[in-house]
Amino acid sequence: DQQVKQNSPSLSVQEGRISILNCDYTNSMFDYFLWYKKYPAEGPTFLISISSIKDKNEDGRFTVFLNKSAKHLSLHIVPSQPGDSAVYFCAASDLAGNQFYFGTGTSLTVIP
Amino acid sequence: DAGITQSPRHKVTETGTPVTLRCHQTENHRYMYWYRQDPGHGLRLIHYSYGVKDTDKGEVSDGYSVSRSKTEDFLLTLESATSSQTSVYFCAISERLNTEAFFGQGTRLTVV
Repeated sequence: DQQVKQNSPSLSVQEGRISILNCDYTNSMFDYFLWYKKYPAEGPTFLISISSIKDKNEDGRFTVFLNKSAKHLSLHIVPSQPGDSAVYFCAASDLAGNQFYFGTGTSLTVIP
Repeated sequence: DAGITQSPRHKVTETGTPVTLRCHQTENHRYMYWYRQDPGHGLRLIHYSYGVKDTDKGEVSDGYSVSRSKTEDFLLTLESATSSQTSVYFCAISERLNTEAFFGQGTRLTVV
């Protein structure tokens, strides 16, 4: 049973506009969340994280928002660039746990 | 980039044969992980290691074993490969548990 869900398999956005990638989770004990980006034939690379004590974390063009009551997080990319075209995975863990649970990924295409 | 090397990068093997995948790191990180990536499932943890000779099971450990005799090497063994183990396998490392991990480039394994 998937504890972390990314319900949009794909997303297309025009260059310069905002990309919003969504992630939902079912386990209320999750309190640490990560986003990874993955290009074809490469391993995932860490993008940004957020812990449950925050509701927002920013790093340059990337912002992650966490809504604990809704068990929902989102990644905003502003402005989107063609190099952002990749598959994005969200992952969640609880502090007492020993692993991250990953979503199925969203393939983002940024159109020049 | 974190120094992680996976070998081989591609392998085709027959059902019932043993297969060993190798992960080598040059970062001296304590934690090492093996994940598999499958369509519709995202990344799932197979086994992880928290030190030399210290390993534990992940979400999908059945049919797999691991060994870590040196800090830098983490081996994943399929004792008797099955077609359901056709997948892309990623090794990852981290300095601490429950923090972002650095991933290798992956091994594409096909069991025919």
